[in-house]
Amino acid sequence: AQSVTQPDIHITVSEGASLELRCNYSYGATPYLFWYVQSPGQGLQLLLKYFSGDTLVQGIKGFEAEFKRSQSSFNLRKPSVHWSDAAEYFCAVGLIQGAQKLVFGQGTRLTINP
Amino acid sequence: EPEVTQTPSHQVTQMGQEVILRCVPISNHLYFYWYRQILGQKVEFLVSFYNNEISEKSEIFDDRFSVERPDGSNFTLKIRSTKLEDSAMYFCASSYRGQGTGELFFGEGSRLTVL
Repeated sequence: AQSVTQPDIHITVSEGASLELRCNYSYGATPYLFWYVQSPGQGLQLLLKYFSGDTLVQGIKGFEAEFKRSQSSFNLRKPSVHWSDAAEYFCAVGLIQGAQKLVFGQGTRLTINP
Repeated sequence: EPEVTQTPSHQVTQMGQEVILRCVPISNHLYFYWYRQILGQKVEFLVSFYNNEISEKSEIFDDRFSVERPDGSNFTLKIRSTKLEDSAMYFCASSYRGQGTGELFFGEGSRLTVL
């Protein structure tokens, strides 16, 4: 069965610092990969997605992620974080066939120090 | 920008009561979903719905749960005989496609508290 692991439950970085959030997946084929962000009291907003092609994908709010098949990883990065980036970040795997059933990771809570 | 809307934003109910959570998906979408997130846990798939029938459901979606698209615009999740463990944030989502590049758009969630 497919699964998603986000090893870091909570990360704190200073405003302006770079950020990398880790995501590893387990799936029998090349999955569809997603990063969602959930701000306090808000729903899930899609940051970016990978389906095929270029393994470095750009998303909204200055985020990017790189798919590395050999490492089964899809890490999220941002070169310089802003206080408004404080939120919960979820990596998810989507099945290629059938309904769009996503399997989510545990989430990583990002805190920004001023 | 079109969005998925959910009501109510927060519902408090007594154990054993029935609740209905409502969702208005994006208008041209064809696939509809409910996910839930128990506080501090992963977001979990509950059910997917297409062409007026359930296409897939998880083991969480037991016979107390039902979904319906009563009028072509709303998509509802009904939970009968609610239990304490049903307390969670429930997210509705919709997509134009059910596979491939069918991106899911999520609503802001309905928080259910069962006392």
